[in-house]
Amino acid sequence: GAVVSQHPSWVICKSGTSVKIECRSLDFQATTMFWYRQFPKQSLMLMATSNEGSKATYEQGVEKDKFLINHASLTLSTLTVTSAHPEDSSFYICSARRGNTGELFFGEGSRLTVL
Amino acid sequence: AQSVTQLDSQVPVFEEAPVELRCNYSSSVSVYLFWYVQYPNQGLQLLLKYLSGSTLVKGINGFEAEFNKSQTSFHLRKPSVHISDTAEYFCAVNFGGGSNYKLTFGKGTLLTVNP
Repeated sequence: GAVVSQHPSWVICKSGTSVKIECRSLDFQATTMFWYRQFPKQSLMLMATSNEGSKATYEQGVEKDKFLINHASLTLSTLTVTSAHPEDSSFYICSARRGNTGELFFGEGSRLTVL
Repeated sequence: AQSVTQLDSQVPVFEEAPVELRCNYSSSVSVYLFWYVQYPNQGLQLLLKYLSGSTLVKGINGFEAEFNKSQTSFHLRKPSVHISDTAEYFCAVNFGGGSNYKLTFGKGTLLTVNP
């Protein structure tokens, strides 16, 4: 089946620093990627929709300047958490849409801990 | 308003017992329906989906679900569970059944299979 890989899977950073998380579709071209945030024991909340070559579309309440999303190629989208604070600590998951079928494939997730 | 409700936050069962995880949605438009499974500190894996056609959908790992339009439900079932089925299960809905591929997730149901 299709594979979506996220890196890093775990990251710990100091408050005020920026952290970049990568989402790659390894064996297909992803015209659209989605970024989710999941708090402990809670559901996934869609943060933004990322289309290759264009600006991301953010969900209501998500700070676009805080969570920078870049989708520079058909196989890579990045989420940068800028000036991270402890409240940004969370599990971030991406999904990629395979063009023809529209099926979504999810990455393994990236756990961010901000000290 | 569009919403996804998983009524049970936790479902404990004994090994080899049957299980049903409930999912209801609220929508005035057509829907695509999905069930995903999440193991600890991992991303989501698609169990099954309903897009159209037969309302009884069979998925991986022996799971099945039935779409009931009149009751706006998509309950997940398995006739005999294994210890390895212990995980978090999420129901997800694409409202409008269409091109945006955006999913709204329920809060999840933790299935715990005991020996």
